[in-house]
Amino acid sequence: EIVLTQSPATLSLSPGERATLSCRASQSVSTYLAWYQQKPGQAPRLLIYDASNRATGIPARFSGSGSGTDFTLTISSLEPEDFAVYYCQQRSNWPGLTFGGGTKVEIK
Amino acid sequence: EVQLLESGGGLVQPGGSLRLSCAASGFTFSSYAMSWVRQAPGKGLEWVASMSGSGGSTDYADSVKGRFTISRDNSKNTLTLYLQMSSLRGEDTAVYYCAKDQVYSGSYYPGYWGQGTLVTVSS
Repeated sequence: EIVLTQSPATLSLSPGERATLSCRASQSVSTYLAWYQQKPGQAPRLLIYDASNRATGIPARFSGSGSGTDFTLTISSLEPEDFAVYYCQQRSNWPGLTFGGGTKVEIK
Repeated sequence: EVQLLESGGGLVQPGGSLRLSCAASGFTFSSYAMSWVRQAPGKGLEWVASMSGSGGSTDYADSVKGRFTISRDNSKNTLTLYLQMSSLRGEDTAVYYCAKDQVYSGSYYPGYWGQGTLVTVSS
């Protein structure tokens, strides 16, 4: 089973700052990695697929990078609506998939 | 517009059974793999099970294997995904989401999600 480890667990930043979130896989997932955003009481929303492609309707301030075992989600300039929990997810062995433990981006 | 509506959650005793449903509309249901993902109170997302569009391929998380069964009805008037849960335990308490795969070039990710249904396992 592929394990995804996200860091940090919590990121305290101010609006306008840059956020950098990390996701590390226990073995290579190539670029079969996605990022999701979840706000309280809501279902997750797909942000990034295949490590670096923005899903439909996702603002350009969200970007993803990486391949193999190390991945990064960057939010270039935090907007108030970006404070949420972010999860990475791998799907290198469809139909199964796994999620990381999440990173909470909170207002400093 | 893609819509996924879960139902069937509720309070069940340990060792009991429950069947969740996810009614789908707005897309060709039989063409897309579907998944169940759960979230325990205050915790992260945990994948539960997935099924291909035809129903021919399935996979389960180790934590539910042998206790949960994913199925689907692709018939015209009943476009529904199911999760039959048995031998329920306290650690199965969670909000259960159904999700539809979004298809990209050679890759698939849960791209559309329902709003979830809460399952509470307690005596």
